[in-house]
Amino acid sequence: QLQLQESGPGLVKPSETLSLTCAVSGGSIRGSGHYWGVIRQPPGEGFEWIASIFDNGKTLYNPDLRSRVTVLVDTPKNQFSLRLSFVTAADTAVYYCVRTGERNTYKPEYWGQGTLVTVSS
Amino acid sequence: QAGLTQPPSVSKDLGQTATLTCTGNSNNVGDQGVVWLQHHQGHPPKLLSFRNYNRPSGISERFSGSASGDTASLTITGLQAEDEGDYYCSAWDNRLGAVLFGAGTKLTVL
Repeated sequence: QLQLQESGPGLVKPSETLSLTCAVSGGSIRGSGHYWGVIRQPPGEGFEWIASIFDNGKTLYNPDLRSRVTVLVDTPKNQFSLRLSFVTAADTAVYYCVRTGERNTYKPEYWGQGTLVTVSS
Repeated sequence: QAGLTQPPSVSKDLGQTATLTCTGNSNNVGDQGVVWLQHHQGHPPKLLSFRNYNRPSGISERFSGSASGDTASLTITGLQAEDEGDYYCSAWDNRLGAVLFGAGTKLTVL
């Protein structure tokens, strides 16, 4: 059974960079033919897609966040990571690692448990 | 970004049928179709359907998706207490190059 596990800082100071790692088990990112990404949910709000990366490294970014986001895949470690720079309180959210779909099909079927990241001084 | 439009709440009696709607435009719902997600607080969302009407394995046949033009629907038959929760539609928008979400519909089972 495919599983995703987030590891994040818990607390990040304003203007600093949030780094999130998504470890994948029960399946390989390399050659999977799938996109892997991060979706977040601020407290009391709905969901927001941040970015996705294909197994060959092709990236897709939310246009509203593109200037602050980098997503990378580390195939030897079977994980991918997100960096979100210059964070503010508005970036406080539960961050989920998600297998977001196949090449031409959006299908967010596998989700991590989520990790709360709070931006505060 | 403009999101997808969902009614904020729907209430139905136990055993009845609920139909949730999601409206977008020709760049998202009308083209790529939607996914439907069920969310219970404290847990990750669960995918109920993708590309409008396809059910992942393990999802009950009580959940069925459909679409007409720029509006998609999720129908839940034989409502059970555990169906109570938040339901989100989401779709890829090929003009914006982004995944969009609706604000969610809170389903209450009376």
